[in-house]
Amino acid sequence: KQEVTQIPAALSVPEGENLVLNCSFTDSAIYNLQWFRQDPGKGLTSLLLIQSSQREQTSGRLNASLDKSSGRSTLYIAASQPGDSATYLCAVISTGGFKTIFGAGTRLFVKA
Amino acid sequence: DTGVSQDPRHKITKRGQNVTFRCDPISEHNRLYWYRQTLGQGPEFLTYFQNEAQLEKSRLLSDRFSAERPKGSFSTLEIQRTEQGDSAMYLCASSFRGQGRVGEKLFFGSGTQLSVL
Repeated sequence: KQEVTQIPAALSVPEGENLVLNCSFTDSAIYNLQWFRQDPGKGLTSLLLIQSSQREQTSGRLNASLDKSSGRSTLYIAASQPGDSATYLCAVISTGGFKTIFGAGTRLFVKA
Repeated sequence: DTGVSQDPRHKITKRGQNVTFRCDPISEHNRLYWYRQTLGQGPEFLTYFQNEAQLEKSRLLSDRFSAERPKGSFSTLEIQRTEQGDSAMYLCASSFRGQGRVGEKLFFGSGTQLSVL
């Protein structure tokens, strides 16, 4: 059974700092891994999708990496801004089923 | 691309009442998912449709829950005889099968926040 864990559960950093969010999954048989952002009381916004054959994806100040063999992904945020404050969730689609499995998320607070 | 639309945004109901939520996916998306999210947790899978066929249901989905997707377009999620434990955010997501599962990207709606009093 696929399980997704995110560490840390919460993170507070000063504006301008570079930071890394971690995601681990127990079953390496995945199609892809997706990182999402969620603002309080809102739906999820897709940030980056990494296919199982890829090692990383970049979008602006965001860079996501994938090490499928070790069951790990990281989301790197460069030069953090107060507007980056949100919950960040990672999710995987396992090859054995249809559903996307989510971690519990990392709540990020960037102080001005 | 108008995005995934969910209605209503909020629903307050009394225990024992029935509620129904609606999801309109992105028009060309043939896959549709329902998830439930409680405070501080990630979304939990409830059910999945490919076109009009419901292909998978979570064990979380008790007999009080039913979902439909007539004609493979919009979907409804009904909860009968609501309980306080049903209070949560109900999220709908859609995706396009064309790229295969490797390239499948989920697009979420804003969710329906259900409060059962």
